[in-house]
Amino acid sequence: RKEVEQDPGPFNVPEGATVAFNCTYSNSASQSFFWYRQDCRKEPKLLMSVYSSGNEDGRFTAQLNRASQYISLLIRDSKLSDSATYLCVRGGSYIPTFGRGTSLIVHP
Amino acid sequence: EPEVTQTPSHQVTQMGQEVILRCVPISNHLYFYWYRQILGQKVEFLVSFYNNEISEKSEIFDDQFSVERPDGSNFTLKIRSTKLEDSAMYFCASSSGLLNYEQYFGPGTRLTVT
Repeated sequence: RKEVEQDPGPFNVPEGATVAFNCTYSNSASQSFFWYRQDCRKEPKLLMSVYSSGNEDGRFTAQLNRASQYISLLIRDSKLSDSATYLCVRGGSYIPTFGRGTSLIVHP
Repeated sequence: EPEVTQTPSHQVTQMGQEVILRCVPISNHLYFYWYRQILGQKVEFLVSFYNNEISEKSEIFDDQFSVERPDGSNFTLKIRSTKLEDSAMYFCASSSGLLNYEQYFGPGTRLTVT
């Protein structure tokens, strides 16, 4: 099993939709997780950290489920500008490991 | 807003040549990182750096690679003898808190080895 695994998508959704991505990880002792977004040929940009208690920032909500070893990202009221690749990252005590990313396309 | 900067934005070099990629991390950050991303593939960790020494490195970071913080602002990645497979986007990142926590990335240097 890969260390950090994501569905590559693409997720194709209309503006205003709610969309959710999951990311599974293989090491149960993993401590810290992050969501980044990456636009085509650009650098990853930190979107949010993922805490055990959940984390919400505007339209974005991240959750960590340690029992099932996955993290999730929920985007509400999708905007055209949300179109990007969303990267799940495991960090903390471990060498940072990126997932391959999930592609989101928001259309009018 | 403070940001990580990298130069050059694009470097073309011949196989076997040495290249130095430069980064200026965010000024009050303590941890520095290099990553690479081959076109169409995932971001891969190369090395982390703290307190003037390497904290961690991946299997990719072999003897051909080295990092240095020559002064108080720059952070460099040197590839001694480039290979075709070194062609990739190289990202520098920095973070302020703990190692491997929230990191801020520079815009990257696209390295093309011919």
